[in-house]
This record gives sequence, C-alpha cells and structure tokens, in this order.
Amino acid sequence: EVQLVESGGGLVQPGGSLRLSCAASGFTFSDHYMDWVRQAPGKGLEWVGRIRNKANSYTTEYAASVKGRFTISGDDSKNSLYLQMNSLNTEDTAIYYCARASLKTGHWSFDLWGRGTLVTVSS
Amino acid sequence: DIQMTQSPSSLSASVGDRVTITCRASQAISNYLAWFQQKPGKAPKSLIYAASSLQSGVPSKFSGSGSGTDFTLTISSLQPEDFATYYCQHYRNYPLAFGGGTKVE
Repeated sequence: EVQLVESGGGLVQPGGSLRLSCAASGFTFSDHYMDWVRQAPGKGLEWVGRIRNKANSYTTEYAASVKGRFTISGDDSKNSLYLQMNSLNTEDTAIYYCARASLKTGHWSFDLWGRGTLVTVSS
Repeated sequence: DIQMTQSPSSLSASVGDRVTITCRASQAISNYLAWFQQKPGKAPKSLIYAASSLQSGVPSKFSGSGSGTDFTLTISSLQPEDFATYYCQHYRNYPLAFGGGTKVE
C-alpha cells in the first residue's frame, strides 16, 4: 500500500527538542521530494520545509519561521523522512504532516499525505 | 514572498449546487497552483496540480482554471462527501504558501 506514516509527536516544554519521523511505503522514496506541512489547532496549513531527492543533491528549503531551528533529513535506505525540531516554542504547536511531491509535466506538486502527528509545546 | 488569498472564507451550499472558490496570488505564478481538500480531523487530500490537472483518482466534478494571479476551483454538482475545507497552494518558488482556506458548509 502506498502510504506515509508519521511518528514522534508528543508534549515538549518550551525550548526543548523533538524529532519526527515519516515512514514511506509502496513507492520508490528516492524518486520524490518530501515536505513537512503543519497545521496549528483550528488554523490553516503552513508549509515547513522540503528536502529534494538524491538526483537534486538532497538540498533543503525552509520556511522563515523555522529556519535555523528545524532540520529536514532523509534516509533512502530506510524510506524515511525526518524533522529535527530544536528551540521549540508554543507557536510550534501543531499537527505535522509529511507530504510527497511528485514530478508531473514539469511540476513538483504534493500528491500524497500522511495522517499527521501532533506536537504540543507547553510547560 | 508570494501571498495566497482565498475567497470566500466560507460558503453555504446545498447538494447539487455548483460551487466556485477563488484564489489570488500576490504576484504572477504562471500555473504553479494546487488545490487540496481537507475534512475535519483528516489529512489533506490532493485534488489538482498545475492549476487544472486532476490528481489520479479525483472525480471529474472537480475542475480548476486560471493562470498568472487568479485561479478558481469549481465543484460541478456538490455531493454530501464534498463538504470540507479547500486550500489553494502556490509552488512557483520558495517559500511555498497556502491560502487561508474556504469552508464549504
């Protein structure tokens, strides 16, 4: 089955760290770009960042709100995506989704989403 | 950064209605525009990419149009399973950005 499954969410204190994982199955992980998107409670979707595939040197992009605090990495051998989150603050409280981007007619667009994992930053 | 503005933020519709949602980009994005559907408590679902191309498995009642700065998502005949929140997203450059969402109720 083609799917993405996130894990690693939980309760963390302000200033703390957390590492999220996203396990991919049913497709060739290394063919795709992978992104993290988050959604604060009752709010809209916010793009967090992206890691390109091996063919594009695994380069990364980040939203300004997380740049310097969050790091995206991947492991093709484990078909897994990671999000290392440091210096967390209450505004980082959200459901974190991993999303697959596929190349179609020159467009790298999202076509598969995980169910998400909840991160709560609170003292 | 490119900002995405959706209108309306919510709308009331009935089964069988034709529904149109508008998305405007703060600068031209060609056709680097996607649409997503999200139901309460669920992950987003990808509907459309390249402004008008349906993702695999998406029914043809959904259609998208537009280029440059102005885009629309149309549901030709609203069904009970279509009551949800819809988001547009540009991917013309970084940072990627979503519109604020349109709740169809």
